[in-house]
Amino acid sequence: ETGVTQSPTHLIKTRGQQVTLRCSSQSGHNTVSWYQQALGQGPQFIFQYYREEENGRGNFPPRFSGLQFPNYSSELNVNALELDDSALYLCASSPGQGASDTQYFGPGTRLTVL
Amino acid sequence: GQQVMQIPQYQHVQEGEDFTTYCNSSTTLSNIQWYKQRPGGHPVFLIQLVKSGEVKKQKRLTFQFGEAKKNSSLHITATQTTDVGTYFCAGYEKGNNRKLIWGLGTSLAVNP
Repeated sequence: ETGVTQSPTHLIKTRGQQVTLRCSSQSGHNTVSWYQQALGQGPQFIFQYYREEENGRGNFPPRFSGLQFPNYSSELNVNALELDDSALYLCASSPGQGASDTQYFGPGTRLTVL
Repeated sequence: GQQVMQIPQYQHVQEGEDFTTYCNSSTTLSNIQWYKQRPGGHPVFLIQLVKSGEVKKQKRLTFQFGEAKKNSSLHITATQTTDVGTYFCAGYEKGNNRKLIWGLGTSLAVNP
């Protein structure tokens, strides 16, 4: 176990709705990264938060947004859900924002958009 | 943009046989990381390679980072059924340590 938790584990939404996914970092980790993993694909980087600020972003539209809280837990918000948003959403915490910092993944939230 | 490619996409071996997956990047990487994801699970960090030409071993697993820091390989000796899963390589483009780029993974099946 990595000590990173995510909620909920599964979620079903309909197209056009909004969703909030939550991630609790491993103790002592100040950096959280979010990934989208479609079936049969590798994870795709959405964004990273470091000490409550967005620190880097992948090729995702603005309807994907996030927050990091003072306790370093994090949320991923997706507005105007589309069918293609169906995927496993993974968060990973790390002790720092450096390239050498190991990322520890949570179990993921599986989102299905109907 | 940067791309990371992995081959093969799938590999089916008999228990005891060796297995190798290859990872190639379109650009120079600052480092390469390897992860294993079991079916229905999440990626689990295996190792990180940083130096050009670096070789690291973990029991039956041998990891290599190419001299040009654009390719890497993972070799498993004498596979076991516990090795089943998808193996991903992921790397940071040199000069950009925020965006970890992942390969598509190699799915390994092991027949007992």
